[in-house]
Amino acid sequence: DVKVTQSSRYLVKRTGEKVFLECVQDMDHENMFWYRQDPGLGLRLIYFSYDVKMKEKGDIPEGYSVSREKKERFSLILESASTNQTSMYLCATIPDSHSGNTIYFGEGSWLTVV
Amino acid sequence: KNQVEQSPQSLIILEGKNCTLQCNYTVSPFSNLRWYKQDTGRGPVSLTIMTFSENTKSNGRYTATLDADTKQSSLHITASQLSDSASYICVVSARTGGFKTIFGAGTRLFVKA
Repeated sequence: DVKVTQSSRYLVKRTGEKVFLECVQDMDHENMFWYRQDPGLGLRLIYFSYDVKMKEKGDIPEGYSVSREKKERFSLILESASTNQTSMYLCATIPDSHSGNTIYFGEGSWLTVV
Repeated sequence: KNQVEQSPQSLIILEGKNCTLQCNYTVSPFSNLRWYKQDTGRGPVSLTIMTFSENTKSNGRYTATLDADTKQSSLHITASQLSDSASYICVVSARTGGFKTIFGAGTRLFVKA
């Protein structure tokens, strides 16, 4: 079974703090993604990565950055957290090609910015 | 504009009853459609995936249908159980050079005893 692990399930941070959300997958998948999920909205893509040290902006990258130093690890960084970044963050991975392959999700990280 | 619309937003049914969730999409060019189940506080888990040539796919008590002409899909749940209470998300991918996947907002299903 594919395992996608998000190390922090619940976080509370103050406005202006730097926040790191870590995601680790154990199946040697090349493609990794960060989404945020808000009530009444579908999942929205923040950033994704095809390979180590490679990153691409998704639909809502503003206020976020990412790091992929190793194939199995994809980190989402909030340089200066704001209250509108309170959300559930989901990490996902796909084996090789987006089309026709199942997306595997982590359990989610609930971030509250106060 | 690529969109995925799901209905109803929420649904309450009695245990043992059947229900059908709807998904309409405008994603083009179409590649595949997936249904995911997301328990409260958990990540989504795949139920079915269908490509253009498939019009039905089953996974236990879950049966998904796809009409690529009308751009509609449905997820039918048979003999519902309390554990079916969850959000069900329709996900449509476009056949492009890069990654283009659109998520629906989900249908929240409550199954009560």
